[in-house]
Amino acid sequence: DAGVIQSPRHEVTEMGQEVTLRCKPISGHDYLFWYRQTMMRGLELLIYFNNNVPIDDSGMPEDRFSAKMPNASFSTLKIQPSEPRDSAVYFCASRHSWGILNTEAFFGQGTRLTVV
Amino acid sequence: DQQVKQNSPSLSVQEGRISILNCDYTNSMFDYFLWYKKYPAEGPTFLISISSIKDKNEDGRFTVFLNKSAKHLSLHIVPSQPGDSAVYFCAASRYYTGANSKLTFGKGITLSVRP
Repeated sequence: DAGVIQSPRHEVTEMGQEVTLRCKPISGHDYLFWYRQTMMRGLELLIYFNNNVPIDDSGMPEDRFSAKMPNASFSTLKIQPSEPRDSAVYFCASRHSWGILNTEAFFGQGTRLTVV
Repeated sequence: DQQVKQNSPSLSVQEGRISILNCDYTNSMFDYFLWYKKYPAEGPTFLISISSIKDKNEDGRFTVFLNKSAKHLSLHIVPSQPGDSAVYFCAASRYYTGANSKLTFGKGITLSVRP
């Protein structure tokens, strides 16, 4: 398996533009997480899905952020409009559950977003 | 409100010595704990985990200890090697699936192992 695949690896955009980050989880994994890493706050959970359904989006900073998971192999995180304070590394991770037990999550390589 | 706390931002140890990385949590519902290692420009990679039914889990040079009463866990690396230099994240979750299966991370500790 190729692991969790994120695209693009780097994104530089101007303030006010729409940004879309993409993620392909590991096949068979039923949980998908979006995290944001900053120096100040470390790894923050933005939203997670179970079987393509959003379960907890309490970490989404504001209405400018939205996430979708139209099927088990694809998810997007969209920022519209983007602001300089959104600059961070965004990670996608996936995990599966062994019956009723949770397991470790596997991360993609991240998307480094710079909003100028 | 940080539910998983790694209060020391950095640690420096000599090669061959023990590295001890600490983590505290506040949410008593957490019963599954994980450590991740992260190199620059890469995603975090899973290192070792422990569920609350144990107080110790060992994997080669890495051992995680869990003290449930103190809501504290630690990662021991013995012996430390220069390749261990990275950021280490502590994470917590529920062991059983269902409500609140999210994985909550601390801010990370930067470990530097000096040759």
